[in-house]
Amino acid sequence: DIVLTQSPGSLSVSPGDSATLSCRSSQFLSSSYLAWYQQKPGQAPTLLIYGASTRATGIPDRFSGSGSGTDFTLTISRLEPEDFAVYYCQQYGSSPNSFGQGTKLEIK
Amino acid sequence: EVELVESGGGLVQPGGSLRLSCAASGFTFSRHFMYWVRQAPGKGLVWISRIDGDGTTIDYADSVRGRFTVSRDNAKKTLYLQLNSLRGDDTALYYCGRAGMFTLGGVIATPIDLWGRGSLVTVS
Repeated sequence: DIVLTQSPGSLSVSPGDSATLSCRSSQFLSSSYLAWYQQKPGQAPTLLIYGASTRATGIPDRFSGSGSGTDFTLTISRLEPEDFAVYYCQQYGSSPNSFGQGTKLEIK
Repeated sequence: EVELVESGGGLVQPGGSLRLSCAASGFTFSRHFMYWVRQAPGKGLVWISRIDGDGTTIDYADSVRGRFTVSRDNAKKTLYLQLNSLRGDDTALYYCGRAGMFTLGGVIATPIDLWGRGSLVTVS
C-alpha cells in the first residue's frame, strides 16, 4: 500500500508570504494520480490540484503543484487570509487509495 | 444544482449497523466513480472505498473490508454505504465524493472533485 507523508505537520506563515507544503510517497507514484485538497474548519474538503500540477476549476494561480516520482509539492504564493486551512495530498492511482495526514497552515 | 447530500448517520451501539445514503443531483451519476471518505473528530481524511460507474468494481480500505459494503443505484442516483459490526474507532464524519474524470495525456485522473457535507456516525 502507498503511504503518503506530509511535512511539515503545521506551518506558520504571514499573509502575503509564500508557503511550501511537501507530500512524499512511499512508492513511485505517477504524477497523474496525485491531488491536493484544502479543508477549512467545519467544511468539506475542496479539490485544488490534480495530476500533481493541474489546477481545478476556479482555483487561483497562487496555488501551484509540482513534483514527480515520490516527492510532490504544493506552493501557495501571496497568501490570503482565506488560505489558512488544512491541506491534504491524495493518491488515487493505486488501490487502496490514500491521503496524507495533512498540513495545517496557520497565520503568523 | 450539482450536489451530493449524505443521510442516515446517527448514534449506534458497538456491534450495530447503519446504512448511509448519498443522493446525487445535477450531473450524470452513472458516468462517475464515487468515493467514501471518513474523518474522525479532529483527525485527518481517511479513504474508505471507491466504486466504479456501474458498480462492478469496488475497492475497500483494509480497516473496513468485510464490515462495510458500498453499492449504488444509478436509476435513483444514489450511493450507499452499509456499515456493519461497528466499533468505536468507526466514529467519524462520513463524506461521499464524486470522482472527476479528467484526461491527462491519455490517463484518466479521478480525484474527488465534488464532496457532500458529510453524515456523522457515532458509535457508543
